[in-house]
Amino acid sequence: KAGVTQTPRYLIKTRGQQVTLSCSPISGHRSVSWYQQTPGQGLQFLFEYFSETQRNKGNFPGRFSGRQFSNSRSEMNVSTLELGDSALYLCASNLGGTGGNEQYFGPGTRLTVT
Amino acid sequence: QKEVEQDPGPLSVPEGAIVSLNCTYSNSAFQYFMWYRQYSRKGPELLMYTYSSGNKEDGRFTAQVDKSSKYISLFIRDSQPSDSATYLCAMSAKTGNTGKLIFGQGTTLQVKP
Repeated sequence: KAGVTQTPRYLIKTRGQQVTLSCSPISGHRSVSWYQQTPGQGLQFLFEYFSETQRNKGNFPGRFSGRQFSNSRSEMNVSTLELGDSALYLCASNLGGTGGNEQYFGPGTRLTVT
Repeated sequence: QKEVEQDPGPLSVPEGAIVSLNCTYSNSAFQYFMWYRQYSRKGPELLMYTYSSGNKEDGRFTAQVDKSSKYISLFIRDSQPSDSATYLCAMSAKTGNTGKLIFGQGTTLQVKP
């Protein structure tokens, strides 16, 4: 079974621009979560989508948004990029429903904002 | 104070040593506990997953959870240079309806040949 895939793997953007990252979960997984990883703050939860609905949200500004499609694929968008948004963005998938909470991570998208 | 505390290390051990990695937490609602391994420039890889208190063993890895002390551990027996990575503990409160994991800062482990 294929793992979680993320595209693109690397991205360089300029301050003020916006960016869209994509995530395809493991086949059969209906929950997709997004995390930001930085050296200073570590791994921080952004939001979770299940059945096309956001069911959990972390403490990030409204510039960070996401969505999930009917095939469980997910995208996250960051608008008006700031230098501090430079990070590794990780997507994780999970069966969802009433199953356990094991999260399986993709390789991440490394975003650099200049 | 962070919800999950983890000594960032770095931790350096000789090949074959037993490694002990630990996390403490403050939220008594946590009931699902995970350990991830992350190699440089890769995504975290799930190593161990446990529910509530107790031990779980998988090959050279043993995870322990002590909810009364709010303390979890990962033991690696017969450590190998390929175990050199950052180890992250993670935990969550509810089953099935949340993907929100709270992570420790990660411990960097180096196993020297």
